[in-house]
Amino acid sequence: DGGITQSPKYLFRKEGQNVTLSCEQNLNHDAMYWYRQDPGQGLRLIYYSQIVNDFQKGDIAEGYSVSREKKESFPLTVTSAQKNPTAFYLCASSIYPAYEQYFGPGTRLTVT
Amino acid sequence: GESVGLHLPTLSVQEGDNSIINCAYSNSASDYFIWYKQESGKGPQFIIDIRSNMDKRQGQRVTVLLNKTVKHLSLQIAATQPGDSAVYFCAENTPPDGGSNYKLTFGKGTLLTVNP
Repeated sequence: DGGITQSPKYLFRKEGQNVTLSCEQNLNHDAMYWYRQDPGQGLRLIYYSQIVNDFQKGDIAEGYSVSREKKESFPLTVTSAQKNPTAFYLCASSIYPAYEQYFGPGTRLTVT
Repeated sequence: GESVGLHLPTLSVQEGDNSIINCAYSNSASDYFIWYKQESGKGPQFIIDIRSNMDKRQGQRVTVLLNKTVKHLSLQIAATQPGDSAVYFCAENTPPDGGSNYKLTFGKGTLLTVNP
């Protein structure tokens, strides 16, 4: 099956800890994205990458970091500097930047 | 503020009725628009897209209409079914400030509830 996988589905962390969310795709897409979704809100772009070893900040990058060492993988680290990390995180990929994006199932992160 | 918005945050319809979900966009440079469906606790799923050189595009039970004059996008769902209950997002492809790379900007979404 082709698609995007995110793991884990639910993640719990204590405040002050860094946590890394996994995103893998086997669609051979060059572009990958991380979004954050809060209850009743739209998607806000955290980081995106158009090609391996390159990524750009989105609208709300503070407190997050990413890497893109492989085409298939785009992990997101939520650092302790992120003031309100509890949210639903969505990873997406697309053949071309800003065209049809395919989304993963999401990871719900809860920090207490 | 957001460049993409929705007129109605919630919509409740009877099963079998047609549904219309609206979206306003503000950037006249946007040349591509997408509608997504998101069920509770899941990632968004692509429904249909439309390019700015078109006014209308039809899919299976869905139609997207684009009115560039008033910067308005709508999604019509025919014979709405309980399985259509979800949040529907529109997204526009627009260049970010000061840059040449386009990105998708998403609206907040409309919650569609289909009553049996």
